Amino acid sequence: GAGVSQSPSNKVTEKGKDVELRCDPISGHTALYWYRQSLGQGLEFLIYFQGNSAPDKSGLPSDRFSAERTGGSVSTLTIQRTQQEDSAVYLCASSFSGGNTGELFFGEGSRLTVL
Amino acid sequence: AQRVTQPEKLLSVFKGAPVELKCNYSYSGSPELFWYVQYSRQRLQLLLRHISRESIKGFTADLNKGETSFHLKKPFAQEEDSAMYYCALTEYGNKLVFGAGTILRVKS
Repeated sequence: GAGVSQSPSNKVTEKGKDVELRCDPISGHTALYWYRQSLGQGLEFLIYFQGNSAPDKSGLPSDRFSAERTGGSVSTLTIQRTQQEDSAVYLCASSFSGGNTGELFFGEGSRLTVL
Repeated sequence: AQRVTQPEKLLSVFKGAPVELKCNYSYSGSPELFWYVQYSRQRLQLLLRHISRESIKGFTADLNKGETSFHLKKPFAQEEDSAMYYCALTEYGNKLVFGAGTILRVKS
């Protein structure tokens, strides 16, 4: 595809359930990011994958959150035992050469609502 | 640690008025700074970066290392400028860190 693709676009779940959010980056992009966007909190960094390096997980808010990137391409963000405060839009972005060019290409996001 | 501060959550101006969206940062090295924009129902996208020293859609931003600021300016606001604006910072090879964002509303 031409851009970063995320699925599902909308997810409504019950408190305590696990959810998986998927990101398909632009082909050839070595860096992949997950951010969380919520009212009043702006864009909160979650995790960053760069090539074969160990991911920067410093932004994950709790051990209920995890992410993996298989084969250097598709990434899955998993939230276990969801809580209402997890409700937000989860944005994925990719870039060609890490953070040094600064041009991230964003997906349309996955809106998560936890009831 | 990297930190980006955008003090205004909402900035409302009339069409044709000057606009300045404030951004201050803290860093431990030599950062690169950017402005990203998200128009209604569109994806977040890069607006401009300080190393390019360019004007995009009439917007400019000057890096002031003494004041650690990177304010976004436009002399005459247009209605189509209404959007959410994020200031962002990265050090070479590292993650991009965003501020909380400022909503710009341009009134007719």
